[in-house]
Amino acid sequence: DAGVTQSPTHLIKTRGQHVTLRCSPISGHKSVSWYQQVLGQGPQFIFQYYEKEERGRGNFPDRFSARQFPNYSSELNVNALLLGDSALYLCASSLQGSNQPQHFGDGTRLSIL
Amino acid sequence: QQQVKQSPQSLIVQKGGISIINCAYENTAFDYFPWYQQFPGKGPALLIAIRPDVSEKKEGRFTISFNKSAKQFSLHIMDSQPGDSATYFCAASLIRVQGAQKLVFGQGTRLTINP
Repeated sequence: DAGVTQSPTHLIKTRGQHVTLRCSPISGHKSVSWYQQVLGQGPQFIFQYYEKEERGRGNFPDRFSARQFPNYSSELNVNALLLGDSALYLCASSLQGSNQPQHFGDGTRLSIL
Repeated sequence: QQQVKQSPQSLIVQKGGISIINCAYENTAFDYFPWYQQFPGKGPALLIAIRPDVSEKKEGRFTISFNKSAKQFSLHIMDSQPGDSATYFCAASLIRVQGAQKLVFGQGTRLTINP
């Protein structure tokens, strides 16, 4: 079975630009979460979506937005990129329910010049 | 209160030894505690998880010990192998309204198993 797939794998942008990252969940998973992992740190929660609705949001500025599509895939958008946005962006999918394990993709490595 | 503190930052263990990584939390509302393993260039992979009504869970060479009163939990890797060399993250989850699950991660432990 295919795991969580993310695209692109690597991306280089300059300050002020915007970026769209994409995620396809494991088949049958309707919940998608996004995390930011800065080098040397643990992942930080950004968003969770279920049934196309935002169900949770972490402590990130409004420059970060996301959406979920009818096929449960998801996009993470970041506007007005800053140098500090350089990180590995991880997508995780899970079944909805109490403490269902989250399964992560291999992430998109975003570098801001 | 939303933090999970993990130690040590790095750990070197001889092949065949026991690797022990510790985590502590403050928020007693956390109700799910997974451990993830991450190799360079890869996303975190779920290793083992525990709920607070259980004091220990074992899966193969991996064991989670959970101390609810001390708000601490730890990962033990028995018979550590060079292939276990990776970064390990503990996490805690808080179930919110409408089932949203937010994982709060520790800072990670870089484990090196010497052959």
